[in-house]
Amino acid sequence: GDSVTQMEGPVTLSEEAFLTINCTYTATGYPSLFWYVQYPGEGLQLLLKATKADDKGSNKGFEATYRKETTSFHLEKGSVQVSDSAVYFCALRRTYNQGGKLIFGQGTELSVKP
Amino acid sequence: KAGVTQTPRYLIKTRGQQVTLSCSPISGHRSVSWYQQTPGQGLQFLFEYFSETQRNKGNFPGRFSGRQFSNSRSEMNVSTLELGDSALYLCASSLGGGDSPLHFGNGTRLTVT
Repeated sequence: GDSVTQMEGPVTLSEEAFLTINCTYTATGYPSLFWYVQYPGEGLQLLLKATKADDKGSNKGFEATYRKETTSFHLEKGSVQVSDSAVYFCALRRTYNQGGKLIFGQGTELSVKP
Repeated sequence: KAGVTQTPRYLIKTRGQQVTLSCSPISGHRSVSWYQQTPGQGLQFLFEYFSETQRNKGNFPGRFSGRQFSNSRSEMNVSTLELGDSALYLCASSLGGGDSPLHFGNGTRLTVT
């Protein structure tokens, strides 16, 4: 079945370091891909998305490119801040009519130290 | 614009009891989805309602049920609670189109003792 695999955390970085969180997926067809972020005590917030191969999603300095050849959607940021400390989830929506049904990875906890 | 509101924020129940959780979507959103979040299983899709009809369903037992009202508000019910039902239950709303982003509430933390 469809699945999403993320690199295990926690990931600990110093402020202004470069961030990469790996995400690979298994799915038939052409899924839409998402990154969500969850801050302590809160629900998930959409960070960015890509709906077709080679699309690049970007928001708040974060970027991810939909790579169909490697079935990947790695999250990157050039310079992290303490405020980026959170849990990041990669997710896919298999087809257009799946609506609210997303398949999530296990989440990667990021801790940024000053 | 108000976000997705889930009530209550915290619940403590005993095994065998039943529980009802509530979700008020963003105004204008017609789709409401429910997710269970646990440390072991992560985020798992329960079901989605759109215009009062269940549109998608995950792989949960029949003890988990839901409904949606004409104003798009949704409730989720869990009957005969088990210890393993302890989790954070998240509700998400969207406009309902195939590419509509999900907007999540802050969740209801259910503890079953």
